[in-house]
Amino acid sequence: GQQLNQSPQSMFIQEGEDVSMNCTSSSIFNTWLWYKQDPGEGPVLLIALYKAGELTSNGRLTAQFGITRKDSFLNISASIPSDVGIYFCAGQRVMNRDDKIIFGKGTRLHILP
Amino acid sequence: EPEVTQTPSHQVTQMGQEVILRCVPISNHLYFYWYRQILGQKVEFLVSFYNNEISEKSEIFDDQFSVERPDGSNFTLKIRSTKLEDSAMYFCASSEIRTGIYEQYFGPGTRLTVT
Repeated sequence: GQQLNQSPQSMFIQEGEDVSMNCTSSSIFNTWLWYKQDPGEGPVLLIALYKAGELTSNGRLTAQFGITRKDSFLNISASIPSDVGIYFCAGQRVMNRDDKIIFGKGTRLHILP
Repeated sequence: EPEVTQTPSHQVTQMGQEVILRCVPISNHLYFYWYRQILGQKVEFLVSFYNNEISEKSEIFDDQFSVERPDGSNFTLKIRSTKLEDSAMYFCASSEIRTGIYEQYFGPGTRLTVT
């Protein structure tokens, strides 16, 4: 089945540092999504990417849709304590009746005091 | 801001019992989904639903599972005879699907514990 490889699995950083995480797939997706999940809550959509090569920002977050349509990265600049959580990349093929989201395994972000 | 809501937030049930998880999607959305997340693992697709029928389902969504939209607002997931391995967070999602936009918005989840 379709699988997304997300890395790193976890990160420990100092407040104020920049963060970078990425996702690769053996399959092509025509939509890439980045979600954040806080403990005990549902995934919250951060950024959606619809075109290969697209670079999109949302505040301190920047994400890119890879040219090959098989990868994406998410950068967080100047991290703050509320950035702690699990970040999931997700892909959608969106063809015929298939619009299900395939999730990566997540990157757990820890911010050191 | 409109949001997806789910009830209950936590459901404890005994193995073999039936459970119904409830969701109220965002009001102008027409596409509905259930996902589950076993503790510490990734979110997995279960089923998608549009126009009162299932669009797609995963291998996880076997004969023990069913979905229904009993009225204009609720979307339910029923597990007929729960097993221990059904213990997980279950997330409902909904989508408007405007042309070129397929964003799914997730509810806060129902934690199902099967004992």
